[in-house]
Amino acid sequence: EVQLVESGGGVVQPGGSLRLSCAASGFTFSSNWMNWVRQAPGKGLEWVSRINPDESITGYADSVKGRFTISRDNAKSTLYLQMNSLRVEDTAVYYCVQVQYGWGRGTLVSVSS
Amino acid sequence: EIVLTQSPGTLSLSPGERATLSCRASQSVLNNYLAWLQQKHGQAPRVLIYAASSRATGIPDRFSGSGSGTDFTLTISRLEPEDFAVYYCQQYGSAPLTFGGGTKVEIK
Repeated sequence: EVQLVESGGGVVQPGGSLRLSCAASGFTFSSNWMNWVRQAPGKGLEWVSRINPDESITGYADSVKGRFTISRDNAKSTLYLQMNSLRVEDTAVYYCVQVQYGWGRGTLVSVSS
Repeated sequence: EIVLTQSPGTLSLSPGERATLSCRASQSVLNNYLAWLQQKHGQAPRVLIYAASSRATGIPDRFSGSGSGTDFTLTISRLEPEDFAVYYCQQYGSAPLTFGGGTKVEIK
């Protein structure tokens, strides 16, 4: 059974930082592209970032470019998202996603003063 | 950026009826890398279909995907009570990955 379990969300002030993690199991993590997708309260889905299996290719939405960094540890089957200079508009549930295998349950990031 | 337009916005149907949902892309989706997702209130999205027509593991065969290029369709052959939800299409052939605005399938 595929499992994607996010952690690391919480409440942070504007300008602060958080690091999200996603522990993956049930598929060959090291062979697959991985993504972060977010959903603001009551809104649609917004892609945030992606990374290829060997970390040689990454991509970011314009809204987070220069502030967020995606990475992975294939030995630990874990995906990361380092989020710096957080803004109020970054408030959302953040999902770890492998397009074919599934979505995690998400972790809530709330940016508020 | 590829813009995905879903129609209709809302589909009102009864259990047992057939549902046909459309997703149109502003340009051709590379390799037909188009997925369909189901989201129920308060839950994470679930992958139904990937690569336009491949059912994800554990998805019932009443769900089917078709199409290529810029026009894609999700068909639910006979609606079950648990199928009333919001459905999104997503293209992952090129960055930025993008999503449609969703189709809500509601009980008539």
